[in-house]
Amino acid sequence: AQKITQTQPGMFVQEKEAVTLDCTYDTSDPSYGLFWYKQPSSGEMIFLIYQGSYDQQNATEGRYSLNFQKARKSANLVISASQLGDSAMYFCAMREPLKSAGNNRKLIWGLGTSLAVNP
Amino acid sequence: ETGVTQTPRHLVMGMTNKKSLKCEQHLGHNAMYWYKQSAKKPLELMFVYSLEERVENNSVPSRFSPECPNSSHLFLHLHTLQPEDSALYLCASSQVMTSGGKADTQYFGPGTRLTVL
Repeated sequence: AQKITQTQPGMFVQEKEAVTLDCTYDTSDPSYGLFWYKQPSSGEMIFLIYQGSYDQQNATEGRYSLNFQKARKSANLVISASQLGDSAMYFCAMREPLKSAGNNRKLIWGLGTSLAVNP
Repeated sequence: ETGVTQTPRHLVMGMTNKKSLKCEQHLGHNAMYWYKQSAKKPLELMFVYSLEERVENNSVPSRFSPECPNSSHLFLHLHTLQPEDSALYLCASSQVMTSGGKADTQYFGPGTRLTVL
């Protein structure tokens, strides 16, 4: 069964430093998508970055990059030059593979990592 | 308004009350979702509407009743809730593509924090 594991319940990082948030996944399907979301204390789930299983390069979006290691089934989020506003919960999610045309596919979620950025 | 909006942001209700949560998406998407987020649990998918038709109902108790009158609006009607239903309820939308990819990303609203007394 598909599963997402985030082993770090909480992380601390000094402002302006880089931090890596871990995510491992389990699936037997060759086609899948991986997402990272940020959830500040206000509650909104904010999409950060996407990695497709067939993408040749690691995804990058501004200060966010994804260290995608397919053989190890890991998709770690790297935040460079941390800012105080990066303090939030971070969730890794995997989209189920397509089963039939037009079928909505579920996202399978991890439990999240709480990141605190210290000034 | 842009993105996905939800009202109210906070709701306190008694177990005998009837209330509704509202979600509106301004992204032109064709699918909308209701999620429940409780402490120390993964996000739980409750309902999915695709092209205004319910395509997913994850064994949610009947005290939760969804409604999707058009592709931009989604409601969650609540009645005779239990204290364990207290949670953050998140609405999301996406443009479902058979090819998948980044275009099928779900975008979320700010959520409704529900407390059942």
